[in-house]
Amino acid sequence: AQSVSQHNHHVILSEAASLELGCNYSYGGTVNLFWYVQYPGQHLQLLLKYFSGDPLVKGIKGFEAEFIKSKFSFNLRKPSVQWSDTAEYFCAVSHNNAGNMLTFGGGTRLMVKP
Amino acid sequence: GAVVSQHPSWVICKSGTSVKIECRSLDFQATTMFWYRQFPKQSLMLMATSNEGSKATYEQGVEKDKFLINHASLTLSTLTVTSAHPEDSSFYICSARDPENYGYTFGSGTRLTVV
Repeated sequence: AQSVSQHNHHVILSEAASLELGCNYSYGGTVNLFWYVQYPGQHLQLLLKYFSGDPLVKGIKGFEAEFIKSKFSFNLRKPSVQWSDTAEYFCAVSHNNAGNMLTFGGGTRLMVKP
Repeated sequence: GAVVSQHPSWVICKSGTSVKIECRSLDFQATTMFWYRQFPKQSLMLMATSNEGSKATYEQGVEKDKFLINHASLTLSTLTVTSAHPEDSSFYICSARDPENYGYTFGSGTRLTVV
């Protein structure tokens, strides 16, 4: 069974700091990769996704992620965070052999200090 | 993008009663929907995959008779928590595949509190 690991459970940054959240998965085949954000009191929203092509994916709100197949990683980055980025971030993976269901990482709670 | 409407968003029920949660795809057809459960400060755990016109596929450890899933139409899936107990209190979220960009779109979730 596939698994998804997010190494940082809690991250605290000051505004304008750079962000990188780690995500590793265990499945060896072809995968689809996602990052979701959950703002306080709101539902999950898609930040970005990777299916194929350019491994550097740009998403909304200035976020990007890089798929490194050899490292089974899909880390999320943002050059300069804002207070409004305070939220919980989830990495998720799906693959066709699992009925396209999503497997989520444990989430990373980001707090940006103003 | 595709929108999934989930309701109720919040429900409190007495122990032993049943609660039905609805998940509707708006403006698109969803042959498959997913039901997740999220405990406080934890990630989403897939409970079951709901398939239109057929039986749901449950994940290991999820009681089929307790969490009844019905996907009678291409736009509606329901999750019924039967004979609810306090330990069933959680945040339940449904999801469907977005046909426009092959991503997943999520409902706003239902916070269930069983007292």
